Amino acid sequence: GESVGLHLPTLSVQEGDNSIINCAYSNSASDYFIWYKQESGKGPQFIIDIRSNMDKRQGQRVTVLLNKTVKHLSLQIAATQPGDSAVYFCAENSMDSSYKLIFGSGTRLLVRP
Amino acid sequence: KAGVTQTPRYLIKTRGQQVTLSCSPISGHRSVSWYQQTPGQGLQFLFEYFSETQRNKGNFPGRFSGRQFSNSRSEMNVSTLELGDSALYLCASSWSAKGDEQYFGPGTRLTVT
Repeated sequence: GESVGLHLPTLSVQEGDNSIINCAYSNSASDYFIWYKQESGKGPQFIIDIRSNMDKRQGQRVTVLLNKTVKHLSLQIAATQPGDSAVYFCAENSMDSSYKLIFGSGTRLLVRP
Repeated sequence: KAGVTQTPRYLIKTRGQQVTLSCSPISGHRSVSWYQQTPGQGLQFLFEYFSETQRNKGNFPGRFSGRQFSNSRSEMNVSTLELGDSALYLCASSWSAKGDEQYFGPGTRLTVT
């Protein structure tokens, strides 16, 4: 498969445990945030998004938390499964402008069976 | 509904040549963005088009250009290729003018020798 990043931080979790992936964003003017999952050989896949007027949003097995005070975003995955193994990116954008996503460097999630 | 498609999927070019990559967005989507992904720099924004107009451009040299057609399909061109242009080039589309999730294609893997 294609190498997304050679020196990504890696989070290793046991199957069935919960995973928490963290991201620090850069622009205090950003008001829209997205988490993407990228598997080897594929493009990023949308997971969940959150706007700055919220501090928490839940999806199916995933929760995103936003702390604007410290410019921090986290993705929580409940009951992690082998299919969750991938590289996860956070991205930020300002809704006042057109699309210009700024991506974080990514975290590799490895799920141990 | 078909996803974002990109052609070709793989491409090998020689330094000094030029290359054109194509992206067909999801039907009904009018915004198309391009990103470059490399192991060293991660995902970086190239440019974004909406209704045939370039609305935003990343920090790349003028050798990188693009355009969008009336059917929303987009092409990007890189002239005078350099070794450092070897990367995965990703296209993403969205239905709205701003502020909503972008859906990515599988990318075009460009290798410059």
